[in-house]
Amino acid sequence: GAGVSQSPRYKVTKRGQDVTLRCDPISSHATLYWYQQALGQGPEFLTYFNYEAQPDKSGLPSDRFSAERPEGSISTLTIQRTEQRDSAMYRCASSPGKGDPGGTDTQYFGPGTRLTVL
Amino acid sequence: GQNIDQPTEMTATEGAIVQINCTYQTSGFNGLFWYQQHAGEAPTFLSYNVLDGLEEKGRFSSFLSRSKGYSYLLLKELQMKDSASYLCAVRGYGQNFVFGPGTRLSVLP
Repeated sequence: GAGVSQSPRYKVTKRGQDVTLRCDPISSHATLYWYQQALGQGPEFLTYFNYEAQPDKSGLPSDRFSAERPEGSISTLTIQRTEQRDSAMYRCASSPGKGDPGGTDTQYFGPGTRLTVL
Repeated sequence: GQNIDQPTEMTATEGAIVQINCTYQTSGFNGLFWYQQHAGEAPTFLSYNVLDGLEEKGRFSSFLSRSKGYSYLLLKELQMKDSASYLCAVRGYGQNFVFGPGTRLSVLP
């Protein structure tokens, strides 16, 4: 696609419910990242994928958080048994990966999903 | 540990020059990035440094000193539309990125 898209843009849920957030990266991009961004702060790394492989999930705050990218394109981030502290903007970004000719491997961010846990 | 420091806020006048500093301590270094983020929007890429020195890109320049763990972003001929947060980010080992808290820049007429 033309850019990174995320859905839903806004999600309000009750504490204890499970939520799944979706990211559709730029179609040619090998690498996909998930970040959590609190208001007025920089994005905080959660995990990333190279195609369908997930080499690093060190940033996931607890085992309630999981991410998938089964076919190496669309990814989902699932939060089980949501808690109020999970309320944040969740951003997805994609980058060309090691094949980026410029070598910068620039990340292109999606618009984010604003999650509110009541 | 991983730590990136930036000033929280800065104010400058339209047409002026402003320098936003970033210091970092990270385990592993594979490049430093600057992103711009307007309020309510996604971050967008501004610049990248992996070797020491200055990278110039129009009105924006970025400098890196790896031995000092230091970078700055220089914005020249400030315009009102430059009012935004500026995020410093370091790529560590693999594709693990650490972002700083961001510097909120206000450009006044």
